[in-house]
Amino acid sequence: QVQLQESGPGLVKPSQTLSLTCTVSGDSISSGGYYWSWIRQHPGKGLEWIGYISYTGNSYYNPSLEGRVTMLLDTSKNRFSLKLSSLTAADTAVYYCARSRSMAAVDNLTFDYWGQGALVTVS
Amino acid sequence: DIVMTQSPDSLAVSLGERATINCKSSQSVLYSSNNKNYLAWYQQKPGQPPKLLIYWASTRESGVPDRFSGGGSGADFTLTVTSLQAEDVAVYYCQQYYSTPYTFGQGTKLEIK
Repeated sequence: QVQLQESGPGLVKPSQTLSLTCTVSGDSISSGGYYWSWIRQHPGKGLEWIGYISYTGNSYYNPSLEGRVTMLLDTSKNRFSLKLSSLTAADTAVYYCARSRSMAAVDNLTFDYWGQGALVTVS
Repeated sequence: DIVMTQSPDSLAVSLGERATINCKSSQSVLYSSNNKNYLAWYQQKPGQPPKLLIYWASTRESGVPDRFSGGGSGADFTLTVTSLQAEDVAVYYCQQYYSTPYTFGQGTKLEIK
């Protein structure tokens, strides 16, 4: 059974950098075939895809957040991470990590396993 | 970006009755070379992450009850829940994976009447 678990601080100050880690069990992030995404959900709102990182370490970010996002892979600990800089109150959200299934090509991803989410408040 | 618009925003249906949720994309998500619609549906129950229900617009994910069905093509899609059960109370989202950035609808809240 694939499981993902987010971890990181729940409160971050404006202008600082958010750092979250997603630890994966039940699957190897370096085995290939899947991509690893971050998605956020503003309080009471819908879902916004932040970006993905592949098992090779290649990444692609939502242009709306381009320049502020960095994703990294740590294969030794089977986890991946998100860094989001220059935080404002608008970045307050629940942050989910998710395993991303390539449906036809690398640019066609659905999200089949999700973490429980980590609430991050910028204040 | 492809904008996904769902309707209605909320829906109340009696137990055992049918619920239909609509999703419209700002451009077609039908890929002509393979005739597939790059559209997925998710269910999010309170306090839980979203769960993948349907992909390719109409293919149920493993383990999803067959009372959930997806339909439509091009830019207009539906999610139907036949014979609504109490455990189906949730917010439902559509998502396009035709092109990046992947985008979701705003969600439809399904409740029991």
